[in-house]
Amino acid sequence: DAGITQSPRHKVTETGTPVTLRCHQTENHRYMYWYRQDPGHGLRLIHYSYGVKDTDKGEVSDGYSVSRSKTEDFLLTLESATSSQTSVYFCAISAGTGVTGNQPQHFGDGTRLSIL
Amino acid sequence: KQEVTQIPAALSVPEGENLVLNCSFTDSAIYNLQWFRQDPGKGLTSLLLIQSSQREQTSGRLNASLDKSSGRSTLYIAASQPGDSATYLCAVRVNRDDKIIFGKGTRLHILP
Repeated sequence: DAGITQSPRHKVTETGTPVTLRCHQTENHRYMYWYRQDPGHGLRLIHYSYGVKDTDKGEVSDGYSVSRSKTEDFLLTLESATSSQTSVYFCAISAGTGVTGNQPQHFGDGTRLSIL
Repeated sequence: KQEVTQIPAALSVPEGENLVLNCSFTDSAIYNLQWFRQDPGKGLTSLLLIQSSQREQTSGRLNASLDKSSGRSTLYIAASQPGDSATYLCAVRVNRDDKIIFGKGTRLHILP
């Protein structure tokens, strides 16, 4: 299995509080992603990173920010959590384009976040 | 805008049967397509990745095909087993900046 660790695995917090989720990889992959998964919506991309300090928005980026100061860590921050951000959050990594073409994504086990 | 659709949303079949899961996408200009498996409460496990220049990929009892011109991919599972019960998702890589769009998945239940 790809070396991806998400922390925390579970979190319950109140509306209006800041929340930071961490994704740590040991594969030295260039690309890292944050997704949220919700019933009826499937997996939706929040933000992604294509290198240290290089990030871009996904389709549901409002209310979220990210940072990547090191290759191995990608942080997702909810500045002021809302109940609509209750979800399961997945981190994924990818080596990007290799000799044989684009490489697959590998996923972490997810963080279950509840905003009360 | 690329959209990925998986039909049916759920499927139940008796153990031992061969089955096909379907994935369709609206824009044929893709870089690759990937099939994943997700068990309840778990993350996604990559099963097969098909490059845009390829027509199919095989791994054990799994075979995935790709027809870009028609915007379709299928995942064939031979001799299904109860352990194959899971949600199967397909995802297309849209362009070189590595965005990936997911379908909502097919929830598969293999009846013992």
